[in-house]
Amino acid sequence: ETGVTQTPRHLVMGMTNKKSLKCEQHLGHNAMYWYKQSAKKPLELMFVYSLEERVENNSVPSRFSPECPNSSHLFLHLHTLQPEDSALYLCASGAGIPAREKLFFGSGTQLSVL
Amino acid sequence: EDQVTQSPEALRLQEGESSSLNCSYTVSGLRGLFWYRQDPGKGPEFLFTLYSAGEEKEKERLKATLTKKESFLHITAPKPEDSATYLCAAISSGSARQLTFGSGTQLTVLP
Repeated sequence: ETGVTQTPRHLVMGMTNKKSLKCEQHLGHNAMYWYKQSAKKPLELMFVYSLEERVENNSVPSRFSPECPNSSHLFLHLHTLQPEDSALYLCASGAGIPAREKLFFGSGTQLSVL
Repeated sequence: EDQVTQSPEALRLQEGESSSLNCSYTVSGLRGLFWYRQDPGKGPEFLFTLYSAGEEKEKERLKATLTKKESFLHITAPKPEDSATYLCAAISSGSARQLTFGSGTQLTVLP
């Protein structure tokens, strides 16, 4: 148990659906991250939040919409996704930015877009 | 643009057969080199951070080393429970907010 909890663990959705991924951390960290992990590819940073303010958005399509209501919770809202968006979505938290110290990752949400 | 390249892509070892994983990096001003372990169905788990060339860190059967161009993860007398994907990542002065990850080395240790 890393202290970062992601739900759901698995999600199957159609291209016209709207769903949300949830992440919760109980480590007292003030930075939270969304990463995308596709097979055989490096982890791709999607969004970074520091003290509930978005500080990084790596040219992610608008069909992905993050939300950070407080320093313990992070959401990723999904709508009109494409099959190529199927991947493992990982949430992470850290003690600060820049991330010179270790990140704590959740177990991820395995997303399949049909 | 920062780049991190890991080799080999996959490695199969017999239990007790020591070996090394390589992580080559090209970044503008390295601020930290990280090693993570990822088991199937789980997120990456932190192993080590190295900050300067010549630095070494050890944990059980694992030892990480750093030079000015690459890092090695040495695995001594591995056991089947060491089977996992090992990820390397770098943070640089040019991208201080984010880690650049390699694609990982999938290690399988056979009993």
